[in-house]
Amino acid sequence: EDQVTQSPEALRLQEGESSSLNCSYTVSGLRGLFWYRQDPGKGPEFLFTLYSAGEEKEKERLKATLTKKESFLHITAPKPEDSATYLCAVQAYGDSWGKFQFGAGTQVVVTP
Amino acid sequence: AAGVIQSPRHLIKEKRETATLKCYPIPRHDTVYWYQQGPGQDPQFLISFYEKMQSDKGSIPDRFSAQQFSDYHSELNMSSLELGDSALYFCASSLGGDGNTIYFGEGSWLTVV
Repeated sequence: EDQVTQSPEALRLQEGESSSLNCSYTVSGLRGLFWYRQDPGKGPEFLFTLYSAGEEKEKERLKATLTKKESFLHITAPKPEDSATYLCAVQAYGDSWGKFQFGAGTQVVVTP
Repeated sequence: AAGVIQSPRHLIKEKRETATLKCYPIPRHDTVYWYQQGPGQDPQFLISFYEKMQSDKGSIPDRFSAQQFSDYHSELNMSSLELGDSALYFCASSLGGDGNTIYFGEGSWLTVV
């Protein structure tokens, strides 16, 4: 059974204090791994798609990496506006596109 | 840029009533997905449509049905509502059903009392 586990559940950072979020996955065949950001009561906002081990993608203060078993989302010098829940989702071969298995998310709070 | 539009944003229904949620995908997007997110839970896939045909089905109760119309908008119909149906329902869309970025709407809050 496909499984996505995110850690930590919650993370409190000081502004400028860099950190990493983890997404470990078990899937029969990984077609894609996605990172989304979700603000309270809002829909997930697309951040990155990663397809193969060794791949890296960057956007502003965020950098996502992928290995064969896990993905990391690195937040460099975070600002308060980076506060959100970060969701990881996997797409398996054999499932139709968009039938994601989401993790429970990591809630990030960045204080000034 | 235009995003996925969902309506209504908030809905309160009583048990055993019926509710309909609407989703208007990003212009030119032909694929729609529905997800349910219960309080404190991760989003769960319900159903998806590509070019007005159902492409996949997840953990969607038999009391729920959905369809995609000729203008690509989609509706999720929920009948005999139960308290456990209270959740945030997301619609998402993409251009094509395979390999393209999926964009989510703001969600529709359904509260069943």
